[in-house]
Amino acid sequence: AQSVTQLDSHVSVSEGTPVLLRCNYSSSYSPSLFWYVQHPNKGLQLLLKYTSAATLVKGINGFEAEFKKSETSFHLTKPSAHMSDAAEYFCVVSVSPGSQGNLIFGKGTKLSVKP
Amino acid sequence: NAGVTQTPKFQVLKTGQSMTLQCAQDMNHNSMYWYRQDPGMGLRLIYYSASEGTTDKGEVPNGYNVSRLNKREFSLRLESAAPSQTSVYFCASSVVSGYSYEQYFGPGTRLTVT
Repeated sequence: AQSVTQLDSHVSVSEGTPVLLRCNYSSSYSPSLFWYVQHPNKGLQLLLKYTSAATLVKGINGFEAEFKKSETSFHLTKPSAHMSDAAEYFCVVSVSPGSQGNLIFGKGTKLSVKP
Repeated sequence: NAGVTQTPKFQVLKTGQSMTLQCAQDMNHNSMYWYRQDPGMGLRLIYYSASEGTTDKGEVPNGYNVSRLNKREFSLRLESAAPSQTSVYFCASSVVSGYSYEQYFGPGTRLTVT
């Protein structure tokens, strides 16, 4: 069965410092992986996705993630945090091909950015 | 192009009351989904519809019913609301193509059951 684990429920960084949000997945096949962001009282927005092409994926707002099959990881990074990055981030894995596109969500990592 | 829209944005119900949450998408997507979001739980799938005329249960379907009215609209009904259904509800849609499964989300409905 597919699953996803976000290793930190809360990450706090200072503005201008790097961001690292960690995600490990479990899948019996080659998955599609996503990162979504949710700003307070808003819906979810797709940050980036991995679908078996390049292992380093660039997303919106300067975020990127690297798919590492050997480590079953898909960590999200950004070189320099901005106050507007404060939000909750969800790592997501596809269930399986032919599953009508069903996704499994991690429990989320809340990112705080200090001035 | 509004994307995915949901109504209402907020709702307060008393235990035992019923209501329907509405969702519509204008992206011509085949698949639509209903999730609930609770603190520390991420998003959990309630029901989904792979295409017009089909619906299937997700992870937490008890206490809910759905209707895929047409390709654009997918409604979620609570027949007899319970305090455990206090949550934020999100509708999403996607076009499932090859390994491309990204979903597009509505702004959510915040439901409180007292």
